[in-house]
Amino acid sequence: DVKVTQSSRYLVKRTGEKVFLECVQDMDHENMFWYRQDPGLGLRLIYFSYDVKMKEKGDIPEGYSVSREKKERFSLILESASTNQTSMYLCASSFFGGVSTDTQYFGPGTRLTVL
Amino acid sequence: AQSVTQPDIHITVSEGASLELRCNYSYGATPYLFWYVQSPGQGLQLLLKYFSGDTLVQGIKGFEAEFKRSQSSFNLRKPSVHWSDAAEYFCAVGGYSSASKIIFGSGTRLSIRP
Repeated sequence: DVKVTQSSRYLVKRTGEKVFLECVQDMDHENMFWYRQDPGLGLRLIYFSYDVKMKEKGDIPEGYSVSREKKERFSLILESASTNQTSMYLCASSFFGGVSTDTQYFGPGTRLTVL
Repeated sequence: AQSVTQPDIHITVSEGASLELRCNYSYGATPYLFWYVQSPGQGLQLLLKYFSGDTLVQGIKGFEAEFKRSQSSFNLRKPSVHWSDAAEYFCAVGGYSSASKIIFGSGTRLSIRP
């Protein structure tokens, strides 16, 4: 079975802090994704990556950056956390192929609270 | 514009009753359609997907969905729900269009009445 793990289930940070969220997948997937989940808004794509060191902006990239130095690891970075970034963050991965056609496998999520 | 609409925010059904969750989509190319389930405190898990062939798709946990091109719908059904089906359900659409991403609906929360 595909396993996608996220570094923390719950995280509390202060406004202005730099925040790192890490995601690791163990199935040699090419594509990795970061989503933000808010009530009533569903999942919104922040960034995705289709290869090591490659990244593409999603719908809401402002205030975020990403890093993919190794195939199995995809990091989301909040350069200067703000209260409006309080949310659930979900990482996902999919096998080589279209980023918009393949099944995505999700991690358990990180609930981030920014005070 | 490409979009997915789940018109029901919250549905409550009795255990053993049948279930239908609605999903309508707007997509400019041949759609790839997905249903995911999110149990409390967990990530999303794929229930089923459709991209061609038989328009009635069988999934895990006894769920099925029917693709109706004329109605731009992909509704999820289950003949008899169990208390463990209480979760949030997301419909999603993708495909080889300029969107280059999977678009998720806003979700339907399912509660089960004992």
